[in-house]
Amino acid sequence: DAGVIQSPRHEVTEMGQEVTLRCKPISGHNSLFWYRQTMMRGLELLIYFNNNVPIDDSGMPEDRFSAKMPNASFSTLKIQPSEPRDSAVYFCASSLNPRGGYTFGSGTRLTVV
Amino acid sequence: AQSVTQLDSQVPVFEEAPVELRCNYSSSVSVYLFWYVQYPNQGLQLLLKYLSGSTLVKSINGFEAEFNKSQTSFHLRKPSVHISDTAEYFCAVSDPNTGNQFYFGTGTSLTVIP
Repeated sequence: DAGVIQSPRHEVTEMGQEVTLRCKPISGHNSLFWYRQTMMRGLELLIYFNNNVPIDDSGMPEDRFSAKMPNASFSTLKIQPSEPRDSAVYFCASSLNPRGGYTFGSGTRLTVV
Repeated sequence: AQSVTQLDSQVPVFEEAPVELRCNYSSSVSVYLFWYVQYPNQGLQLLLKYLSGSTLVKSINGFEAEFNKSQTSFHLRKPSVHISDTAEYFCAVSDPNTGNQFYFGTGTSLTVIP
């Protein structure tokens, strides 16, 4: 298995633009998680899905952020409009069950200028 | 909800010296415990985990962690560190009774000094 695949690896965009981050989880994993990592706040859970259904989105910072999982093999995290304070590394992770732990993707480094 | 405390945000240690990274969690109910490692500019990788059974668990690169239920701790240790161990280490806990969500600590930055 290729693991959790995220794209793009790097994204530089101007303030006010829409940004879409993509994630392909490991085949068969039924839970998917979006995290944001910054120096100031560390690792923050934004939202997670179980069987393609959003379970907890309390970590989504504001309405500019939205996430979807239209099927078991694909998820997107969208920021519209983007702001400089959204600059961070965004990780996607997937899991089959609590015993197995999470498998993380390599992350998307987002820079909003 | 669970919470995880990693008291040491930064740990510098000389090469070949021993190291201990501390982790405490909030609940004494049955939990699963994990250590993840993040090398610079990479994602988090599972280092080792405790599910049940023997309280001492080991990784393939010489790290070990011991589950202590009475102290609700899961400290990570290595008897002799290498330069390549320089990384961020995250402790995480999951409660199998409340679903698939993990709770991560704030991380400990281990720097191995030549």
